[in-house]
Amino acid sequence: DGGITQSPKYLFRKEGQNVTLSCEQNLNHDAMYWYRQDPGQGLRLIYYSQIVNDFQKGDIAEGYSVSREKKESFPLTVTSAQKNPTAFYLCASSSYRADTGELFFGEGSRLTVL
Amino acid sequence: AQKITQTQPGMFVQEKEAVTLDCTYDTSDPSYGLFWYKQPSSGEMIFLIYQGSYDQQNATEGRYSLNFQKARKSANLVISASQLGDSAMYFCAMREEKGGSEKLVFGKGTKLTVNP
Repeated sequence: DGGITQSPKYLFRKEGQNVTLSCEQNLNHDAMYWYRQDPGQGLRLIYYSQIVNDFQKGDIAEGYSVSREKKESFPLTVTSAQKNPTAFYLCASSSYRADTGELFFGEGSRLTVL
Repeated sequence: AQKITQTQPGMFVQEKEAVTLDCTYDTSDPSYGLFWYKQPSSGEMIFLIYQGSYDQQNATEGRYSLNFQKARKSANLVISASQLGDSAMYFCAMREEKGGSEKLVFGKGTKLTVNP
């Protein structure tokens, strides 16, 4: 089945540690996105990538880094510079060839900093 | 300034009744797209319905319809015959294009509770 796989689903880290969230898609989509969701809040865009080896900062990129070495993969690193990293992280992808261009989402990764 | 505004943090509806979730947007682009997503307590985001800015008719998908009023910049979601499984967060989003890149901007959401 085609879809987006995020791992891990739950992650705990100590303050000062970097952590990498995985996002893999087998939908052959060109664009991939990372969003952050805090309780009672909407989704805020961290980074997005329209094509391999290229990505752009979203609205809240500080303290995060990404890479896009393969079309299928868009990992997100939450660095120790991120002041408040505890949140729910959603990865998504979309195709330019689709009529609507809707985003397809993974199931999310919940990061808790202890 | 917020580009997507959802003014109802929470809504309640009786099972089998219809409910309207409000969404207003702000853009100066002539071409844009509007989306509604559902997020159950499990966390995944489920695409419900799409409306393009040039579409003449309101979008419908089963029990979901989008009441698109372009002049008012509103894109309200109407859910008919509510079911208990409709209880979830609902997010309105707009596709924004900048510098050749496209992205979706989301509102803060409305929590819908369907009562038996």
